[in-house]
Amino acid sequence: AQSVAQPEDQVNVAEGNPLTVKCTYSVSGNPYLFWYVQYPNRGLQFLLKYITGDNLVKGSYGFEAEFNKSQTSFHLKKPSALVSDSALYFCAVRAFTGTASKLTFGTGTRLQVTL
Amino acid sequence: GAGVSQTPSNKVTEKGKYVELRCDPISGHTALYWYRQSLGQGPEFLIYFQGTGAADDSGLPNDRFFAVRPEGSVSTLKIQRTERGDSAVYLCASSPRGGQGGTGELFFGEGSRLTVL
Repeated sequence: AQSVAQPEDQVNVAEGNPLTVKCTYSVSGNPYLFWYVQYPNRGLQFLLKYITGDNLVKGSYGFEAEFNKSQTSFHLKKPSALVSDSALYFCAVRAFTGTASKLTFGTGTRLQVTL
Repeated sequence: GAGVSQTPSNKVTEKGKYVELRCDPISGHTALYWYRQSLGQGPEFLIYFQGTGAADDSGLPNDRFFAVRPEGSVSTLKIQRTERGDSAVYLCASSPRGGQGGTGELFFGEGSRLTVL
Protein backbone atom coordinates (compact mmCIF):
# COMPACT_ATOMS: atom_id res chain seq x y z
CA ALA A 1 0.00 0.00 0.00
CA GLN A 2 1.16 3.55 -0.64
CA SER A 3 0.51 6.52 1.62
CA VAL A 4 1.38 10.16 2.14
CA ALA A 5 1.60 12.17 5.33
CA GLN A 6 1.39 15.95 5.50
CA PRO A 7 1.95 16.65 9.18
CA GLU A 8 0.88 20.30 9.15
CA ASP A 9 -2.73 21.31 8.61
CA GLN A 10 -1.66 24.91 8.10
CA VAL A 11 1.55 26.82 7.50
CA ASN A 12 1.72 30.56 8.10
CA VAL A 13 4.47 32.70 6.61
CA ALA A 14 5.05 36.38 5.96
CA GLU A 15 5.40 37.58 2.40
CA GLY A 16 9.01 37.61 1.29
CA ASN A 17 10.05 34.88 3.73
CA PRO A 18 10.96 31.36 2.63
CA LEU A 19 8.34 28.66 2.98
CA THR A 20 8.41 24.91 3.46
CA VAL A 21 5.47 22.52 3.29
CA LYS A 22 6.33 19.06 4.55
CA CYS A 23 5.53 15.69 3.03
CA THR A 24 6.62 12.15 3.81
CA TYR A 25 5.60 9.07 1.89
CA SER A 26 5.48 5.29 1.97
CA VAL A 27 5.52 3.16 -1.18
CA SER A 28 6.90 -0.17 -2.36
CA GLY A 29 9.93 0.41 -4.53
CA ASN A 30 10.91 3.71 -6.06
CA PRO A 31 8.36 6.51 -5.99
CA TYR A 32 6.91 9.04 -8.34
CA LEU A 33 6.18 12.13 -6.21
CA PHE A 34 4.00 15.11 -6.97
CA TRP A 35 2.80 18.41 -5.57
CA TYR A 36 -0.55 19.87 -6.53
CA VAL A 37 -2.13 23.18 -5.52
CA GLN A 38 -5.83 23.92 -5.08
CA TYR A 39 -7.15 27.47 -5.09
CA PRO A 40 -10.68 28.20 -3.78
CA ASN A 41 -13.38 26.86 -6.09
CA ARG A 42 -10.76 25.63 -8.55
CA GLY A 43 -9.51 22.23 -9.59
CA LEU A 44 -6.21 20.75 -8.55
CA GLN A 45 -3.28 22.17 -10.51
CA PHE A 46 0.00 20.34 -11.03
CA LEU A 47 3.04 22.11 -9.57
CA LEU A 48 5.96 19.73 -9.96
CA LYS A 49 7.05 16.10 -9.92
CA TYR A 50 10.00 13.89 -9.11
CA ILE A 51 10.49 10.84 -11.30
CA THR A 52 14.21 10.22 -11.28
CA GLY A 53 17.47 12.16 -11.47
CA ASP A 54 18.29 15.29 -9.49
CA ASN A 55 16.84 15.33 -6.02
CA LEU A 56 15.91 19.01 -6.33
CA VAL A 57 13.11 19.57 -8.79
CA LYS A 58 11.80 22.92 -9.93
CA GLY A 59 8.21 23.61 -10.86
CA SER A 60 5.67 26.29 -11.56
CA TYR A 61 5.46 29.70 -9.84
CA GLY A 62 8.97 29.48 -8.38
CA PHE A 63 8.28 26.39 -6.28
CA GLU A 64 10.77 23.60 -5.84
CA ALA A 65 10.88 20.36 -3.91
CA GLU A 66 13.63 18.19 -2.55
CA PHE A 67 13.47 14.41 -2.70
CA ASN A 68 15.20 12.70 0.22
CA LYS A 69 15.18 8.94 -0.14
CA SER A 70 16.65 8.13 3.27
CA GLN A 71 14.03 10.25 5.03
CA THR A 72 11.25 9.32 2.55
CA SER A 73 10.41 12.99 2.27
CA PHE A 74 9.50 15.38 -0.53
CA HIS A 75 9.16 18.83 1.04
CA LEU A 76 7.87 21.74 -1.02
CA LYS A 77 9.84 24.97 -0.83
CA LYS A 78 9.91 28.50 -2.14
CA PRO A 79 12.64 31.05 -1.39
CA SER A 80 10.29 34.04 -1.15
CA ALA A 81 6.57 33.63 -0.50
CA LEU A 82 3.86 35.74 -2.11
CA VAL A 83 0.38 36.50 -0.80
CA SER A 84 -0.94 34.93 -4.01
CA ASP A 85 0.66 31.61 -2.97
CA SER A 86 -2.02 31.22 -0.30
CA ALA A 87 -3.86 28.01 -1.19
CA LEU A 88 -4.23 24.34 -0.30
CA TYR A 89 -1.27 22.15 -1.20
CA PHE A 90 -1.38 18.39 -1.71
CA CYS A 91 1.48 15.94 -1.91
CA ALA A 92 0.92 12.69 -3.83
CA VAL A 93 2.78 9.45 -4.53
CA ARG A 94 2.53 6.49 -6.86
CA ALA A 95 4.70 3.45 -7.28
CA PHE A 96 7.35 3.57 -10.00
CA THR A 97 6.91 -0.06 -10.96
CA GLY A 98 3.99 -2.33 -11.53
CA THR A 99 0.70 -1.69 -13.23
CA ALA A 100 -0.75 0.48 -10.50
CA SER A 101 -1.39 3.92 -11.83
CA LYS A 102 -3.33 5.73 -9.17
CA LEU A 103 -1.96 8.65 -7.21
CA THR A 104 -2.43 8.59 -3.46
CA PHE A 105 -2.82 12.04 -1.94
CA GLY A 106 -2.12 13.46 1.47
CA THR A 107 -4.72 15.36 3.45
CA GLY A 108 -3.39 18.72 2.36
CA THR A 109 -1.68 21.70 3.98
CA ARG A 110 -3.20 25.14 3.90
CA LEU A 111 -0.59 27.81 3.20
CA GLN A 112 -1.41 31.28 4.45
CA VAL A 113 0.92 34.07 3.35
CA THR A 114 0.38 37.45 4.99
CA LEU A 115 1.74 40.93 4.36
CA GLY B 1 -12.20 22.43 -24.68
CA ALA B 2 -8.63 22.62 -23.55
CA GLY B 3 -9.12 21.14 -20.10
CA VAL B 4 -11.07 18.45 -18.29
CA SER B 5 -14.75 19.35 -18.17
CA GLN B 6 -17.13 18.09 -15.50
CA THR B 7 -20.89 18.46 -15.33
CA PRO B 8 -22.85 19.34 -13.37
CA SER B 9 -20.71 21.63 -11.25
CA ASN B 10 -23.25 21.33 -8.45
CA LYS B 11 -25.86 18.68 -7.78
CA VAL B 12 -28.30 18.59 -4.88
CA THR B 13 -30.36 15.46 -4.49
CA GLU B 14 -32.40 13.63 -1.92
CA LYS B 15 -31.36 10.51 -0.08
CA GLY B 16 -32.19 7.44 -2.09
CA LYS B 17 -32.09 9.09 -5.51
CA TYR B 18 -29.89 8.13 -8.46
CA VAL B 19 -27.17 10.50 -9.68
CA GLU B 20 -24.94 10.66 -12.75
CA LEU B 21 -21.81 12.79 -12.98
CA ARG B 22 -20.12 13.35 -16.31
CA CYS B 23 -16.46 13.86 -17.20
CA ASP B 24 -15.09 14.96 -20.56
CA PRO B 25 -11.30 14.46 -20.52
CA ILE B 26 -8.63 16.25 -22.48
CA SER B 27 -8.74 15.10 -26.10
CA GLY B 28 -6.34 12.24 -26.74
CA HIS B 29 -5.84 11.30 -23.10
CA THR B 30 -6.27 7.57 -22.75
CA ALA B 31 -6.23 7.40 -18.97
CA LEU B 32 -9.13 8.71 -16.89
CA TYR B 33 -9.51 8.79 -13.12
CA TRP B 34 -12.29 9.51 -10.67
CA TYR B 35 -11.50 10.78 -7.19
CA ARG B 36 -13.70 11.88 -4.31
CA GLN B 37 -12.77 14.75 -2.01
CA SER B 38 -14.59 15.20 1.26
CA LEU B 39 -14.35 18.39 3.28
CA GLY B 40 -10.92 18.76 4.84
CA GLN B 41 -9.54 15.69 3.14
CA GLY B 42 -7.30 14.93 0.21
CA PRO B 43 -8.66 13.37 -2.96
CA GLU B 44 -9.52 9.71 -2.50
CA PHE B 45 -9.09 7.37 -5.48
CA LEU B 46 -12.22 5.70 -6.83
CA ILE B 47 -11.54 4.20 -10.26
CA TYR B 48 -9.09 4.35 -13.17
CA PHE B 49 -9.85 3.70 -16.84
CA GLN B 50 -7.30 2.89 -19.50
CA GLY B 51 -9.24 3.34 -22.72
CA THR B 52 -12.70 1.83 -22.34
CA GLY B 53 -11.90 -0.61 -19.58
CA ALA B 54 -11.69 -0.09 -15.85
CA ALA B 55 -8.10 -1.01 -15.05
CA ASP B 56 -8.48 -0.44 -11.31
CA ASP B 57 -11.79 -0.04 -9.49
CA SER B 58 -10.44 -0.83 -6.06
CA GLY B 59 -11.46 2.55 -4.67
CA LEU B 60 -15.19 2.27 -5.31
CA PRO B 61 -16.69 2.17 -1.81
CA ASN B 62 -19.53 -0.26 -2.53
CA ASP B 63 -21.77 -1.59 -5.29
CA ARG B 64 -23.88 1.56 -5.34
CA PHE B 65 -21.05 3.22 -7.24
CA PHE B 66 -20.39 2.40 -10.88
CA ALA B 67 -18.55 4.14 -13.72
CA VAL B 68 -18.42 3.67 -17.46
CA ARG B 69 -16.38 4.96 -20.36
CA PRO B 70 -17.95 3.23 -23.36
CA GLU B 71 -16.04 4.94 -26.17
CA GLY B 72 -12.80 5.63 -24.38
CA SER B 73 -13.45 9.33 -23.99
CA VAL B 74 -16.35 10.67 -21.89
CA SER B 75 -16.95 8.91 -18.58
CA THR B 76 -19.99 8.81 -16.33
CA LEU B 77 -19.90 8.08 -12.61
CA LYS B 78 -23.20 6.63 -11.44
CA ILE B 79 -24.37 6.52 -7.84
CA GLN B 80 -27.47 4.56 -6.91
CA ARG B 81 -29.57 5.00 -3.76
CA THR B 82 -27.55 7.99 -2.65
CA GLU B 83 -26.78 8.44 1.03
CA ARG B 84 -25.87 11.57 2.99
CA GLY B 85 -22.35 10.22 3.36
CA ASP B 86 -21.91 10.38 -0.41
CA SER B 87 -21.84 14.18 -0.21
CA ALA B 88 -18.46 15.31 -1.51
CA VAL B 89 -16.72 16.87 -4.49
CA TYR B 90 -16.19 14.28 -7.21
CA LEU B 91 -13.07 15.01 -9.23
CA CYS B 92 -12.20 13.69 -12.65
CA ALA B 93 -8.69 13.69 -14.05
CA SER B 94 -7.09 12.54 -17.26
CA SER B 95 -3.58 11.70 -18.34
CA PRO B 96 -1.96 11.04 -21.71
CA ARG B 97 -1.03 7.54 -20.62
CA GLY B 98 -1.67 5.47 -17.56
CA GLY B 99 -0.08 2.39 -16.15
CA GLN B 100 3.61 1.74 -16.22
CA GLY B 101 4.11 3.88 -19.30
CA GLY B 102 2.73 6.99 -17.69
CA THR B 103 4.64 9.32 -15.40
CA GLY B 104 1.53 9.94 -13.39
CA GLU B 105 0.87 13.64 -13.90
CA LEU B 106 -2.88 14.10 -13.83
CA PHE B 107 -4.93 16.97 -15.21
CA PHE B 108 -7.97 17.65 -13.04
CA GLY B 109 -11.36 19.12 -13.73
CA GLU B 110 -12.98 21.55 -11.32
CA GLY B 111 -15.17 18.85 -9.85
CA SER B 112 -18.85 18.13 -9.31
CA ARG B 113 -20.09 19.02 -5.85
CA LEU B 114 -22.71 16.51 -4.75
CA THR B 115 -24.97 17.27 -1.80
CA VAL B 116 -27.33 14.57 -0.58
CA LEU B 117 -30.07 15.89 1.68
